[in-house]
Amino acid sequence: RKEVEQDPGPFNVPEGATVAFNCTYSNSASQSFFWYRQDCRKEPKLLMSVYSSGNEDGRFTAQLNRASQYISLLIRDSKLSDSATYLCVVGASGGSYIPTFGRGTSLIVHP
Amino acid sequence: DADVTQTPRNRITKTGKRIMLECSQTKGHDRMYWYRQDPGLGLRLIYYSFDVKDINKGEISDGYSVSRQAQAKFSLSLESAIPNQTALYFCATRGANEQFFGPGTRLTVL
Repeated sequence: RKEVEQDPGPFNVPEGATVAFNCTYSNSASQSFFWYRQDCRKEPKLLMSVYSSGNEDGRFTAQLNRASQYISLLIRDSKLSDSATYLCVVGASGGSYIPTFGRGTSLIVHP
Repeated sequence: DADVTQTPRNRITKTGKRIMLECSQTKGHDRMYWYRQDPGLGLRLIYYSFDVKDINKGEISDGYSVSRQAQAKFSLSLESAIPNQTALYFCATRGANEQFFGPGTRLTVL
C-alpha cells in the first residue's frame, strides 16, 4: 500500500460547483499534513496546512480525520482558476522532516 | 527575485554525459531537498540535506549524487545520464512549516 494515496481524477466540474478530494495515509505516526497546488509544469505551492481542528481559507476547507487516517480538501464555488493538480503531503513528527507526497488529484473547472 | 532558483531551467543531453543541476536559495533555510517528478508518479525524493555537513539518500538516489557547497547551495549530479532519468527536477527548502520549491529543471536524456 502506498503511504499517501489520492484519486488521480480528473475531477471535471462546472464553475460554481463544490468539489471535495480525499487523501489517505498509512503512517499513523504522521503529524503534519498539507495541501499543495501545482499548475501544469510549474512548482508546487502551499495551499494550506491541515490542522486537527480543521481550517478554512476563503472557499477552501481542509479537515483531518486521524481515526480513519485521511485528510480532505473542499473547494466551494469553483473558479476556472482553480484548475490545477492538488497534492496531499504528509510528514512524520520530529526534526527529520521527510514529507511524503501523494500523486496528486487533477481538477478541471469548465465554464 | 525568486527565493529558490534552479539552473538550468531546461537541458537536453545525451546518454552517458555528466550533468549538474544547481539550486540556490535566499531564504536562509538549513533543510534542502531534491525531487524528481514523472507523469503519474508524483514527487519522489532523491536526496536531502539538513545542514552543510549532512547528506542523506532519498527513495531513488541510485544514479545521482549531491553536493551541499554552502547553506544556500545544493547541487544534484547525474554522473552518467540515462534516458530513464528524463524528468522534471525540483529543488526545495523547508522553513518552520512549509516547503518552498524552485521553478524546476526539465531534463531530457536522449
